[in-house]
Amino acid sequence: EVQLVESGGGLVKPGGSLRLSCAASGFNFNTYTMHWVRQSPGKGLQWVSSISGGSDYMYYVDSLKGRFTISRDNAKNSLYLEIHSLRPEDTAVYYCARGEDYYDYTGYFYPGLDHWGRGTLVTVSS
Amino acid sequence: DIQMTQSPDSLSASVGDRVTITCRADQRIGKYLNWYQQRPGEAPRLLIHAASRLQNGVPSRFSGSGSGAEFTLTVSSLQPEDSATYFCQQSYSSINTFGQGTKLEIK
Repeated sequence: EVQLVESGGGLVKPGGSLRLSCAASGFNFNTYTMHWVRQSPGKGLQWVSSISGGSDYMYYVDSLKGRFTISRDNAKNSLYLEIHSLRPEDTAVYYCARGEDYYDYTGYFYPGLDHWGRGTLVTVSS
Repeated sequence: DIQMTQSPDSLSASVGDRVTITCRADQRIGKYLNWYQQRPGEAPRLLIHAASRLQNGVPSRFSGSGSGAEFTLTVSSLQPEDSATYFCQQSYSSINTFGQGTKLEIK
């Protein structure tokens, strides 16, 4: 059974830093692109970042680039997100999600997020 | 970044009704469109991938259609457990983006 368990959230003062973790199990972690998605209280979903299986490719939403760093340790089946210079607007539940590629008969593949963790809450407040 | 816009923002319908949610991209994205359901207090769940393909285990009353820049999610016969917020997501760009969500309430 695929399981994703986030940790590392908590109350942080503005300007502080945090490292979120996601422990994966039940699948070959190193063959999957992994994603971070966040959700501010009562708001919608915001895609944050992704990293390929071998860490060759990393992508970030433009508005967060520079303060967020995604990484992974395939030996530990773990995904990470470092956040610096935290702002109140970073307050959110942070989800990790597994990326799956769905192939059609032509050979094209269409990425989706097929498994999600329960999320970890980050609160930025003085 | 590609902007995704859903309509309506919210809707209310009765058990057995057919409901449709629309998602529009500000550029053509082929069939790189996914739909997710999020019940209160839960993580999102993938319903539809590649615009129209039902994820394993998702009831067949859910269907998706569209390509290019306009997509729809349809629930053919609404059930009480379908009360949730629905999000579309484009995966055409490596910088994925979500729609703002549509909150579906059961009367």
